[in-house]
Amino acid sequence: EPEVTQTPSHQVTQMGQEVILRCVPISNHLYFYWYRQILGQKVEFLVSFYNNEISEKSEIFDDQFSVERPDGSNFTLKIRSTKLEDSAMYFCASSEGAYYSNQPQHFGDGTRLSIL
Amino acid sequence: AQTVTQSQPEMSVQEAETVTLSCTYDTSESDYYLFWYKQPPSRQMILVIRQEAYKQQNATENRFSVNFQKAAKSFSLKISDSQLGDAAMYFCAYRGTSGTYKYIFGTGTRLKVLA
Repeated sequence: EPEVTQTPSHQVTQMGQEVILRCVPISNHLYFYWYRQILGQKVEFLVSFYNNEISEKSEIFDDQFSVERPDGSNFTLKIRSTKLEDSAMYFCASSEGAYYSNQPQHFGDGTRLSIL
Repeated sequence: AQTVTQSQPEMSVQEAETVTLSCTYDTSESDYYLFWYKQPPSRQMILVIRQEAYKQQNATENRFSVNFQKAAKSFSLKISDSQLGDAAMYFCAYRGTSGTYKYIFGTGTRLKVLA
């Protein structure tokens, strides 16, 4: 069964550094998402992406964050200048469906981001 | 704004027994989707079951079933014949149909299965 893949599985970065988290969504999916989960807390929506543009972003997704689909397969989340509070598990997800589709989102294994 | 509440941070069940995980949500939408995801220690979230709000019939997937009460805005997950492999964090998620497809998650319930 096709899977969403994320790399790296664990990223350790100094505060203030830029970090890029990478995701390869399922190939025929059209909608892409990033979520984060701070340790012990619930999974929170960051951003959704469709047709090469952001369709929605949360208040967490400030100017330090950006997303890109640089080619036909990768979907990246960039944090420009990391802060301690960016430490979290970041999940990429993709879905196939159209507006009223019940197609679920498929999640990757996540990237654990640790900011020192 | 929509919210999802899982009031049970942790539950335990004996192997082969039945357990019910609760989830309530708040929304003003009439059409939406609800999901249960399982997150084992390996971290990847795996879809367990889904329910369309316009369907009155409760969804069932093998040992997993839901009790969907639309008027009460309740969406509980029942796991029958619990197995050791069911031990995981379970998240309830809501997805609306008015302009965005993002999931809104509950805080999760950690399920322990006792041998």
